[in-house]
Amino acid sequence: GAVVSQHPSRVICKSGTSVKIECRSLDFQATTMFWYRQFPKKSLMLMATSNEGSKATYEQGVEKDKFLINHASLTLSTLTVTSAHPEDSSFYICSARRTPPFGNIQYFGAGTRLSVL
Amino acid sequence: QKEVEQNSGPLSVPEGAIASLNCTYSDRVSQSFFWYRQYSGKSPELIMSIYSNGDKEDGRFTAQLNKASQYVSLLIRDSQPSDSATYLCAVNKGPGNQFYFGTGTSLTVIP
Repeated sequence: GAVVSQHPSRVICKSGTSVKIECRSLDFQATTMFWYRQFPKKSLMLMATSNEGSKATYEQGVEKDKFLINHASLTLSTLTVTSAHPEDSSFYICSARRTPPFGNIQYFGAGTRLSVL
Repeated sequence: QKEVEQNSGPLSVPEGAIASLNCTYSDRVSQSFFWYRQYSGKSPELIMSIYSNGDKEDGRFTAQLNKASQYVSLLIRDSQPSDSATYLCAVNKGPGNQFYFGTGTSLTVIP
């Protein structure tokens, strides 16, 4: 299968700092990437859809100024959690869409566990 | 109505048995269907994709799609303890459209 790399895998930071998470599609180009958040024992929650070369589309209730998304190339999308607070602590997962002729499949990164102290 | 519905479980089966996971979707225009496996604390991993009616087999896994009834299922034969995980069903209406995920079914395979 296709490979999506997400970095870092774990972040511990102080309240008020900003954290950047990178998501890379290593062996295919992805015009669309997705950012999810997941709380323990809960389902995936889509935060935003990241489109290469254009603004991200945020889901209802997700603050775009809080969660900055940049998709500057066909293989890289970044999520920056600005002025992080303890309530932002969560498991953040990115995914990249691989399009036909390779199917229309979403591949996930390994996730980033963010802990804000 | 949710786009994708799954029984949250937990579903328990003995080792060596067949585990059957089911998923229904609401929009008939859906084109692509996926099963992901997610271990606790890890991100989802693609197991199967299926696009047309019928069965698709890959090793111990068989995905079944019935578009008329709007359901997709996953069968796991010869279940192993390592299959214990949450299984997510996902549906897509085509390139350029969002993926919709079910809430997942927790499977435990008892040795």
